[in-house]
Amino acid sequence: KAGVTQTPRYLIKTRGQQVTLSCSPISGHRSVSWYQQTPGQGLQFLFEYFSETQRNKGNFPGRFSGRQFSNSRSEMNVSTLELGDSALYLCASSLAGSHSGNTIYFGEGSWLTVV
Amino acid sequence: AQTVTQSQPEMSVQEAETVTLSCTYDTSESNYYLFWYKQPPSRQMILVIRQEAYKQQNATENRFSVNFQKAAKSFSLKISDSQLGDTAMYFCAFGPPTGNQFYFGTGTSLTVIP
Repeated sequence: KAGVTQTPRYLIKTRGQQVTLSCSPISGHRSVSWYQQTPGQGLQFLFEYFSETQRNKGNFPGRFSGRQFSNSRSEMNVSTLELGDSALYLCASSLAGSHSGNTIYFGEGSWLTVV
Repeated sequence: AQTVTQSQPEMSVQEAETVTLSCTYDTSESNYYLFWYKQPPSRQMILVIRQEAYKQQNATENRFSVNFQKAAKSFSLKISDSQLGDTAMYFCAFGPPTGNQFYFGTGTSLTVIP
């Protein structure tokens, strides 16, 4: 069974540009969540999508957005990039559903460098 | 809001020895889930072990076991017979009763010395 797949793995962008990251969850998983990892702030929750609907959102500015497609694949977008957006962006998937306590499984991450 | 604290930024252990990583958390929830994830230099986050708060019994996975003290809000990870491949950053995480908005500690960098 394939794991969580994130693309691209590495990218460099210029301040002011926008970026789109993609995540394909484990087959059968319907929930996708995104996390930002930086040396200073650690792992921070961005948002979670389930059945194409945003279920939870972390404390990030509106420049960070996401969506989920009918096949559960998800994308996140960051507009007007700032130097501080340089980070490892991790996608995680889980079975989710009406019950709670699902384990989340991570992809290898997308390294974003803003210059 | 939930908080997770890992007070040991770095630890080391001799190969084949046992090491315990500490984690405390704060929550007003009565039902929740706790996890340990491992992040080796490749940066892939790997699930190590999972504990359900309503279960008294401590979870075990081969060489990995936890000491879950619900009243004290403590969740430590014990690694027995440490191996070189255990060298990684270890994160303690709190999973809520609903949804997948996890809260992570700041991590403990573990080095296994040959």
